[in-house]
Amino acid sequence: AQRVTQPEKLLSVFKGAPVELKCNYSYSGSPELFWYVQYSRQRLQLLLRHISRESIKGFTADLNKGETSFHLKKPFAQEEDSAMYYCALKEGDKLVFGAGTILRVKS
Amino acid sequence: KAGVTQTPRYLIKTRGQQVTLSCSPISGHRSVSWYQQTPGQGLQFLFEYFSETQRNKGNFPGRFSGRQFSNSRSEMNVSTLELGDSALYLCASSQGTANNEQFFGPGTRLTVL
Repeated sequence: AQRVTQPEKLLSVFKGAPVELKCNYSYSGSPELFWYVQYSRQRLQLLLRHISRESIKGFTADLNKGETSFHLKKPFAQEEDSAMYYCALKEGDKLVFGAGTILRVKS
Repeated sequence: KAGVTQTPRYLIKTRGQQVTLSCSPISGHRSVSWYQQTPGQGLQFLFEYFSETQRNKGNFPGRFSGRQFSNSRSEMNVSTLELGDSALYLCASSQGTANNEQFFGPGTRLTVL
């Protein structure tokens, strides 16, 4: 079965510090990976997808097939980045989500 | 464009009852997916409908069912409710073809007493 693992339930960093949210996956084919974010009292929304290879709100994520990872990174965390982050793998027409990581950015 | 809407937003039921949740996708979207979100299990896929046909199904018991109407609106039904069915039920819509982003609704918070 395809799996997505986010090893950290909570990541707490200071404002201005670098952030790396880890995501590892297992998938037999060519994976399509996403990061979703859920801010407090807001709906789940797409942050970025690996096929776009773009930077959104300063976040980037590179697919590493050798390490089966898709870690989310930002060089300088901001307080408004505090949210729940989910890594997800597309399997056919459904999304398989990791357990999520709460990012808390302290001032 | 209006976003995905879900009704009702909150629901309280008792064990053994049944419940129907509704999802209206973004205009023009033909695919609707349902997910269950709980603190213990996280986000789990229930099923996906495209053009009124169930295209994918997750690992949930038969008590969980759904359907999609010709206007792409979808309903999800849970029969014989159990305490463990308490969760946030999320609906997501997309155009339903490859590489289409899924847009999520605000969810329906179901509490089973």
